[in-house]
Amino acid sequence: EPEVTQTPSHQVTQMGQEVILRCVPISNHLYFYWYRQILGQKVEFLVSFYNNEISEKSEIFDDQFSVERPDGSNFTLKIRSTKLEDSAMYFCASSESQLATPYEQYFGPGTRLTVT
Amino acid sequence: AQSVTQPDIHITVSEGASLELRCNYSYGATPYLFWYVQSPGQGLQLLLKYFSGDTLVQGIKGFEAEFKRSQSSFNLRKPSVHWSDAAEYFCAVGVHNAGNMLTFGGGTRLMVKP
Repeated sequence: EPEVTQTPSHQVTQMGQEVILRCVPISNHLYFYWYRQILGQKVEFLVSFYNNEISEKSEIFDDQFSVERPDGSNFTLKIRSTKLEDSAMYFCASSESQLATPYEQYFGPGTRLTVT
Repeated sequence: AQSVTQPDIHITVSEGASLELRCNYSYGATPYLFWYVQSPGQGLQLLLKYFSGDTLVQGIKGFEAEFKRSQSSFNLRKPSVHWSDAAEYFCAVGVHNAGNMLTFGGGTRLMVKP
């Protein structure tokens, strides 16, 4: 069964450093998403991406964040200068796109980011 | 803006007993509703979804959920719980617009007693 994959599974970085989290969505999917879950809190939407541009972003997704689809298979989330409060589990998701029906989103296993 | 409330943070049931996890949503139009399960160290797996039509929907692993518009609820049920069902369960509401973002509830952690 096709699945969303994410690398690395765990990333430790120092405050102020740049990190790139990588995702490989399901191959025929057209919508891509990033969510995060701070320990003990809700899963929060960060951004959605379609047709090589951001469709929607939340207030969390400020200028420190960026997303990119550098090739036909990868989808990345970059945090330019990490803060302690960026420590969280980051989930990538993907879905098919159809105008009439919102398809369900399939989630990857997550990358746990720890900022020290 | 839409919101989702899961009133029960923790629930413990005995193996073989029935289960109902509560979910209430707030959204101005007909929502798209989902239940996801997260096992320890795992990602979010879709259990079931409601878009339209029959308000009782069946999902994987023997789960079902009922959409009740009058109560703004989408409760998850299972007639007989197995020890492997111990996990965290998230209800989510989807908004069909350009972004298709999901808004999640806070989750309910299910523990299963032998």
